[in-house]
Amino acid sequence: RKEVEQDPGPFNVPEGATVAFNCTYSNSASQSFFWYRQDCRKEPKLLMSVYSSGNEDGRFTAQLNRASQYISLLIRDSKLSDSATYLCVVSTNQAGTALIFGKGTTLSVSS
Amino acid sequence: DAGVTQSPTHLIKTRGQQVTLRCSPISGHKSVSWYQQVLGQGPQFIFQYYEKEERGRGNFPDRFSARQFPNYSSELNVNALLLGDSALYLCASSWETGTIYGYTFGSGTRLTVV
Repeated sequence: RKEVEQDPGPFNVPEGATVAFNCTYSNSASQSFFWYRQDCRKEPKLLMSVYSSGNEDGRFTAQLNRASQYISLLIRDSKLSDSATYLCVVSTNQAGTALIFGKGTTLSVSS
Repeated sequence: DAGVTQSPTHLIKTRGQQVTLRCSPISGHKSVSWYQQVLGQGPQFIFQYYEKEERGRGNFPDRFSARQFPNYSSELNVNALLLGDSALYLCASSWETGTIYGYTFGSGTRLTVV
């Protein structure tokens, strides 16, 4: 079983749509959770951290379910500029350990 | 303030050659991590260095090595290049070795092995 699994998509949605991405992780010792955004041929950029209580940043809402080892990202009112690959990332947060990335979910927003 | 800077941005090498990639962390950051991203995959952890010492290593062969200098900059070396080493190599820096705040990545070095 892969450490972090995501549906690769692509998700093709019209502007204004609401889209949700899901992610599961296998290591129950994971402590830190993130969503990164990566534009084509660019570096990943931190979109938001994910907290157990859930958190929101504008049109973006992230949820974490530790019992099910499941993370989600909801994007409301999609914009053309949201087109990118969204990477689910987890870490045990121990010294010397890594960020573990999923393969990413590709979103394409069209007008 | 400058972000994480990597050089070169692009590189073409022949199989069997050796390559050195460079990274300068954000000012004040003492930890540097290296990741490899093959097309269609998420980044994979190669090394983490903190205060010039290796603190973590991913599942990569011994052909991959790295070091960190007193100014916290870092080099990644890959020997005996294989076609499969073609990838985007990303450097990330952070204050410490933990990952609680996530990392800031440089724009990467795109290595093509022919």
